[in-house]
Amino acid sequence: GAVVSQHPSRVICKSGTSVKIECRSLDFQATTMFWYRQFPKQSLMLMATSNEGSKATYEQGVEKDKFLINHASLTLSTLTVTSAHPEDSSFYICSAKTQTSGEVDEQYFGPGTRLTVT
Amino acid sequence: GQNIDQPTEMTATEGAIVQINCTYQTSGFNGLFWYQQHAGEAPTFLSYNVLDGLEEKGRFSSFLSRSKGYSYLLLKELQMKDSASYLCAAMDSNYQLIWGAGTKLIIKP
Repeated sequence: GAVVSQHPSRVICKSGTSVKIECRSLDFQATTMFWYRQFPKQSLMLMATSNEGSKATYEQGVEKDKFLINHASLTLSTLTVTSAHPEDSSFYICSAKTQTSGEVDEQYFGPGTRLTVT
Repeated sequence: GQNIDQPTEMTATEGAIVQINCTYQTSGFNGLFWYQQHAGEAPTFLSYNVLDGLEEKGRFSSFLSRSKGYSYLLLKELQMKDSASYLCAAMDSNYQLIWGAGTKLIIKP
């Protein structure tokens, strides 16, 4: 099956610093990538949808200037958490899917990145 | 609005059968997904239903009734490793997934 990787898997940073998380589709081209956030014991919350070469579409309540998303190629999307605060500590998961006309593709999830802001 | 409902937690015995229900209300419908998520890990795909009926895949089966806005995931011959959260997600007319809060399944020996 399709493989999506994320890097880093865990990161600890100090409040006020920025952290970049990478999401890569290893064996397929992902025209669309999704970024999710998951707090403990809660379901996934979609933060934004990004299409290669265009600006990301952010969900209501997600600050686009704080969570910078770049989908520069068909295999790489990055999420940068700027000026991180302790409340940004969460599990960040990306997923990717290909574009198949007329069909619905499942999303392939990355392993997630555990962010802890101290 | 769009909404997904599934039980918060269920308990079952090793070797038994358990059914996890999910009801959904979405703007348009393009299928129902079930994912398994172990603690601290990302979800993994289990099944996808877009037509009414039962889809069987090994020990796991998934059922869909579009007219009732209802799906269930059936797990047979439960094993301890099946202890996880099971997420129900419906795809709306914009092909966006609407996620349920997940059902935590506890398997007891």
